[in-house]
Amino acid sequence: DAMVIQNPRYQVTQFGKPVTLSCSQTLNHNVMYWYQQKSSQAPKLLFHYYDKDFNNEADTPDNFQSRRPNTSFCFLDIRSPGLGDAAMYLCATSREPGGGPSYEQYFGPGTRLTVT
Amino acid sequence: GENVEQHPSTLSVQEGDSAVIKCTYSDSASNYFPWYKQELGKGPQLIIDIRSNVGEKKDQRIAVTLNKTAKHFSLHITETQPEDSAVYFCAATSSNFGNEKLTFGTGTRLTIIP
Repeated sequence: DAMVIQNPRYQVTQFGKPVTLSCSQTLNHNVMYWYQQKSSQAPKLLFHYYDKDFNNEADTPDNFQSRRPNTSFCFLDIRSPGLGDAAMYLCATSREPGGGPSYEQYFGPGTRLTVT
Repeated sequence: GENVEQHPSTLSVQEGDSAVIKCTYSDSASNYFPWYKQELGKGPQLIIDIRSNVGEKKDQRIAVTLNKTAKHFSLHITETQPEDSAVYFCAATSSNFGNEKLTFGTGTRLTIIP
């Protein structure tokens, strides 16, 4: 089945130790998104790629970076995780950006990040 | 930018009864309104969506209505079942270039009481 896959599902890292989260998709969608979701809150968009074009949200800390080496894969790098970065990180994809006639956004299962 | 408000924040419904969740939005240019269901420890799942050229859409026990004049849209779940228990998020976006972010509501925790 076509889907959005995130690895690992659970990640534990130490304060200040760089960590990379992975997302892959078999939907062949043009757009990939990274969201941060803290407990009992809505997902918060960090950034997205439209093909190779990177779009950063204005309030996303510099501590968060992303790479998209090809259509299928996208990575979230947290350079120096703090305790406040503990959250669920969600990857999502859509065929096109925005609210056009073919726009739908699909989420992966998420990676739960714990910072010790 | 867009602002989406969602009510109620929690909702308990007897199994078999109906549940209604309401959202309002601020940007009149918004034209796409999805609803997501999120179960504990999982990613949000798209359950239904509506575009601004229609007023209502139904899929089995789930329906969504849209009132563009009043800028509000609602999720209706009929004949609720225990597996409907989850957090539901509404969202809105527009196709205006540079304003393509999906803006979420704050979520509704729905509990179905057996």
